[in-house]
Amino acid sequence: QSALTQPASVSGSPGQSITISCTGTSSDVGGYNYVSWYQQHPGKAPKLMIYNVSNRPSGVSYRFSGSKSGNTASLTISGLQAEDEADYYCSSYTTSSTLWVFGGGTQLTVL
Amino acid sequence: EVQLVQSGAEAKKPGESLKISCKGSGYSFTSYWIGWVRQMSGKGLEWMGIIYPGDSDPRYSPSFQGQVTISADKSISTAYLQWSSLKASDTAMYYCARLRGSMIGDAFDLWGQGTMVTVSA
Repeated sequence: QSALTQPASVSGSPGQSITISCTGTSSDVGGYNYVSWYQQHPGKAPKLMIYNVSNRPSGVSYRFSGSKSGNTASLTISGLQAEDEADYYCSSYTTSSTLWVFGGGTQLTVL
Repeated sequence: EVQLVQSGAEAKKPGESLKISCKGSGYSFTSYWIGWVRQMSGKGLEWMGIIYPGDSDPRYSPSFQGQVTISADKSISTAYLQWSSLKASDTAMYYCARLRGSMIGDAFDLWGQGTMVTVSA
């Protein structure tokens, strides 16, 4: 059981927007702005898409955005494209000795 | 080019030892923490530990403390993950990743390609 809770799967049609949630506690997501999101295509290494809740690294499309409310963080992908089909993982700093926790991952299907 | 390049796939027997590597290039290796992440087949990401190559100060997830050893050789810009006695349950893909900033808790912005470790009798 992962420390952060994500939906197992989400889907959307090209051009639509989808949101993936990531729920933790006040010891991780809710307590710090160290929430990040990673994209992983099959057989590939993860890629950082969002850091510090809502910041995009250089080179990441503006279609990806992040936010947080209380103990839940969200990743929104607008204007869905076929290439967005991948697994998405959230991660957060935690006050436990674990330091970083990940969500279980969400499989995004572009219909 | 800024990159982390990991050593190749390994096939080992239970009880054997193993050390895999992660070589950084294109940036100041000693200025960024390097973490290790496990991904078992079809499963999610698990943070194992992290090291600051500048002073070889490792920190471990409680789940992996005592199970693996993380080290670094700054003279050759390489971090390592090693096992003294492998188990079948260590079969997984292992990624090294660079911490984006200097603060523990920040995100991992640069990832290696992964090293597949298979442990089977």
